[in-house]
Amino acid sequence: SQTIHQWPATLVQPVGSPLSLECTVEGTSNPNLYWYRQAAGRGLQLLFYSVGIGQISSEVPQNLSASRPQDRQFILSSKKLLLSDSGFYLCAWSNLMNTEAFFGQGTRLTVV
Amino acid sequence: DQQVKQNSPSLSVQEGRISILNCDYTNSMFDYFLWYKKYPAEGPTFLISISSIKDKNEDGRFTVFLNKSAKHLSLHIVPSQPGDSAVYFCAASSQGAQKLVFGQGTRLTINP
Repeated sequence: SQTIHQWPATLVQPVGSPLSLECTVEGTSNPNLYWYRQAAGRGLQLLFYSVGIGQISSEVPQNLSASRPQDRQFILSSKKLLLSDSGFYLCAWSNLMNTEAFFGQGTRLTVV
Repeated sequence: DQQVKQNSPSLSVQEGRISILNCDYTNSMFDYFLWYKKYPAEGPTFLISISSIKDKNEDGRFTVFLNKSAKHLSLHIVPSQPGDSAVYFCAASSQGAQKLVFGQGTRLTINP
């Protein structure tokens, strides 16, 4: 069966520090991978998606970047965090037809 | 450009009654629609979906209705239970598209 692992579950980082959130998927090949953010009082905002190794599409201009070094690994990064980067980050994968998406448990990031 | 909209940020329903969550979309290319349920500090979980070739799909207490001409879908939960209290997201995709597009979410509260 397919599973998705996302870590860490919570993170408190000072402003200006770097960020690396990792997500790995098991039990499937060549998934579409996504990073979403849910800010307080807002919906799910798509940040990045990837249809293959090294292929990253960015949805919104921001202080974050994403990389896909392996088929089932998706990394969300920042060189210098801002206060506005605080939020709940979710990794997800979907099948090629996008008929369903499966989410990780999320990372609560607080930038202080 | 918000292609998928959930115009009600919150909804409060009495236990045992029907909950109706609404979702509108603007992109006529969308042909697959999904509903997700999200508890605080957890990733969304898949509830029910519908293809554009159907106008209704039922799974236990959950029924999704699709009105293509109005570009509107709704999720009916009956009877509503306290455990249904959560944020509900609708999402849409189209064949050949590489991403799911989510609405802003509706917070459903079931009152005893």
